[in-house]
Amino acid sequence: GAVVSQHPSWVICKSGTSVKIECRSLDFQATTMFWYRQFPKQSLMLMATSNEGSKATYEQGVEKDKFLINHASLTLSTLTVTSAHPEDSSFYICSALRQPAGRADTQYFGPGTRLTVL
Amino acid sequence: AQSVAQPEDQVNVAEGNPLTVKCTYSVSGNPYLFWYVQYPNRGLQVLLKYITGDNLVKGSYGFEAEFNKSQTSFHLKKPSALVSDSALYFCAVRWVNNNAGNMLTFGGGTRLMVKP
Repeated sequence: GAVVSQHPSWVICKSGTSVKIECRSLDFQATTMFWYRQFPKQSLMLMATSNEGSKATYEQGVEKDKFLINHASLTLSTLTVTSAHPEDSSFYICSALRQPAGRADTQYFGPGTRLTVL
Repeated sequence: AQSVAQPEDQVNVAEGNPLTVKCTYSVSGNPYLFWYVQYPNRGLQVLLKYITGDNLVKGSYGFEAEFNKSQTSFHLKKPSALVSDSALYFCAVRWVNNNAGNMLTFGGGTRLMVKP
């Protein structure tokens, strides 16, 4: 099946620093990728939709200047948490949309990145 | 507006017993429905999906779900639960956003606890 990877799987950083998370579709090209955030014991919250070659579309309430998204190629999207603070500590999950010709689209999810801001 | 409801935060079942995890949805047009499973510190894995066709959908690990249009439900079931089925389960509906294209809306998740 299709594989989506995320790097790093976990990261601990000091307050005020920036952290970059990479999301890669390993065996298919993804024009569209999504970034989610999961709070403990809660559902996923869609943060933004990342489209290759264009600006990301952010959900209401998500600060685009704080959560920078770059989708520079068909297999890579990055999320940069700028000037991270403890309240940004969370589990971040990306997904990539596979759109095979003549078949239904399917989202494939990465394994997630655990961010802890001290 | 699109929405997905999972009325139970947690479902407890004994190993070997049948299990049901409930999901109801609200979406414009024909629904594309999914069940995902999340193990601790892992990303989501799709268990099964309903696009069209038979209302009873069979998925991974012996799970199945029945699409009921009149009740707008898509409950997840398994005839005999295993301890290894213990995880967080999410129901989701796919819809089309005019600006962003295909989107997924998730239910709140249901934690399944299977006890030996």
